[in-house]
Amino acid sequence: GAVVSQHPSRVICKSGTSVKIECRSLDFQATTMFWYRQFPKQSLMLMATSNEGSKATYEQGVEKDKFLINHASLTLSTLTVTSAHPEDSSFYICSATGLAGGLSTDTQYFGPGTRLTVL
Amino acid sequence: QKEVEQNSGPLSVPEGAIASLNCTYSDRVSQSFFWYRQYSGKSPELIMSIYSNGDKEDGRFTAQLNKASQYVSLLIRDSQPSDSATYLCAVNRRGKFQFGAGTQVVVTP
Repeated sequence: GAVVSQHPSRVICKSGTSVKIECRSLDFQATTMFWYRQFPKQSLMLMATSNEGSKATYEQGVEKDKFLINHASLTLSTLTVTSAHPEDSSFYICSATGLAGGLSTDTQYFGPGTRLTVL
Repeated sequence: QKEVEQNSGPLSVPEGAIASLNCTYSDRVSQSFFWYRQYSGKSPELIMSIYSNGDKEDGRFTAQLNKASQYVSLLIRDSQPSDSATYLCAVNRRGKFQFGAGTQVVVTP
């Protein structure tokens, strides 16, 4: 149990375009989803936290108009990188916590990540 | 002071030996603690969680929690080359998760 998927796994786009990344909880209801960004050889950086049906809470320094997060259902959250630029190239990872049977609500389960390259 | 601190490593461990990783946290009201393993280029995967003082064992892994001293550790017994990865300590502090920067472990044959 506790499987989180992400799509796409890898995306290459031109500068100025927008990219949408989907994060799905496959076998549990994700009450909270988290979006992280990780640059090579650096630690995870939390970008935002989203609860189903409400607006995401962004970390300091993360532009909410550039990184649009939607958590429309208990199994799906999306991150849209708008007007992407080369400096947005990174590894984007989502995670989720939730409830399903014996699954603890405060354990984060991570998706496999999406590698974004902006040319 | 960082909220969750780990030695960055690399921690070099001979194959078959015990790897010992430490993590300290600053907020005494932290409630739950997690160890994740992250291979290069991959996302973190959960190794185990621990909520109470003492030891918790799962296969070759043992997590130890000491809330009075505000530290949590991870022991990896019979280390294998496949254990070479970065190990992340995570703390749930008042509903907010804080990750350490991770300790790189290199298991040498």
